[in-house]
Amino acid sequence: AQKVTQAQTEISVVEKEDVTLDCVYETRDTTYYLFWYKQPPSGELVFLIRRNSFDEQNEISGRYSWNFQKSTSSFNFTITASQVVDSAVYFCALRENTGGGADGLTFGKGTHLIIQP
Amino acid sequence: GAVVSQHPSRVICKSGTSVKIECRSLDFQATTMFWYRQFPKKSLMLMATSNEGSKATYEQGVEKDKFLINHASLTLSTLTVTSAHPEDSSFYICSASPQGPYSPLHFGNGTRLTVT
Repeated sequence: AQKVTQAQTEISVVEKEDVTLDCVYETRDTTYYLFWYKQPPSGELVFLIRRNSFDEQNEISGRYSWNFQKSTSSFNFTITASQVVDSAVYFCALRENTGGGADGLTFGKGTHLIIQP
Repeated sequence: GAVVSQHPSRVICKSGTSVKIECRSLDFQATTMFWYRQFPKKSLMLMATSNEGSKATYEQGVEKDKFLINHASLTLSTLTVTSAHPEDSSFYICSASPQGPYSPLHFGNGTRLTVT
């Protein structure tokens, strides 16, 4: 069965510091999809990135970057020069491909990121 | 703009009553939608997969008679919490994606249910 582990329950940093959120996953499938979502206090889930298992290229989007390493089954997320608006709960999620493509996401427990001014 | 609309955003009901939550895909058709439940400061747990035109698939431990799911059209799925009790109080979120597993799931804004 699939599993997503976000070992960091809460991280608190001062604004402008860099911060990395860890995500480790488990799956038996060779084809799978990884996602990061942001959940601000208002509750909605904001999509940040998706990666398929065949694409190990790291990605940078503004202050956000993602490091996908299949060898360690990790998909870590780094925020550079953090800002107060980055404060939220961040979820890493895994979606397996069972052929029908209709699986729901398996979420990690989330990391509560607090950016202090 | 939002591609998945969920309604209501907040509902308070008395114990024993039933509550219906709607989830609509706004600009795409979704043969499959998903319902999640989130307890305070906890992760999202998949409750069930809603399939258009057929029965929903429930995750282990989820009571199908308590949480009725109807996916009557390609753009609408409903979750009805029947005979609600205080322990059903939670944040319920639906999601859908227009294509296959590589597409990101779009989430509704969630429904905060409080049962008194």
